Amino acid sequence: AQSVSQHNHHVILSEAASLELGCNYSYGGTVNLFWYVQYPGQHLQLLLKYFSGDPLVKGIKGFEAEFIKSKFSFNLRKPSVQWSDTAEYFCAVNGMFSGGYNKLIFGAGTRLAVHP
Amino acid sequence: DGGITQSPKYLFRKEGQNVTLSCEQNLNHDAMYWYRQDPGQGLRLIYYSQIVNDFQKGDIAEGYSVSREKKESFPLTVTSAQKNPTAFYLCASRMGQGHEQYFGPGTRLTVT
Repeated sequence: AQSVSQHNHHVILSEAASLELGCNYSYGGTVNLFWYVQYPGQHLQLLLKYFSGDPLVKGIKGFEAEFIKSKFSFNLRKPSVQWSDTAEYFCAVNGMFSGGYNKLIFGAGTRLAVHP
Repeated sequence: DGGITQSPKYLFRKEGQNVTLSCEQNLNHDAMYWYRQDPGQGLRLIYYSQIVNDFQKGDIAEGYSVSREKKESFPLTVTSAQKNPTAFYLCASRMGQGHEQYFGPGTRLTVT
């Protein structure tokens, strides 16, 4: 079955530390890849997306992610986190899965807490 | 303002009662989705609809039902057959292939 794995469920960092959140997926076909963020009390919103082209994707708020096809990975990075980055982060994969319908599959999420 | 609205924000029901969660979008998106979010499990797809009058079961459809009579509306009914209905429910929509999903603010349902 298709799945998305996020390696870290909880991450605690100090401000200015670098961040890398792992995401791996299991699907051999063409995929679109996303990172969504859910700030406390807010909507789930898109951080960045990969559809094709340059595998290094830049998103909002200084985030970037790199698609490595051979590793089925789409890790999220930020060189220097801020307290305001405290949120839950979800990796998601969109593909033409079983039944012929296009579906978005989410990872379990990573809760990031940034301490001032 | 374009977007997705879900109402109510908080909903409380007694066990054995059906309850309908509202989702409306004015983005003119064709596809709409319902997810359930539980701590540590991410978002799981309940139902989705690619176009009006068409919908498909997602990964956890048992105990839920939907309708898509209008493009802008995709209500979800949580029936008494759903064994563990207490959760945070998120509605989303998408313009079409090659586009991301946009999410509503969610409805937190508590069944006691």
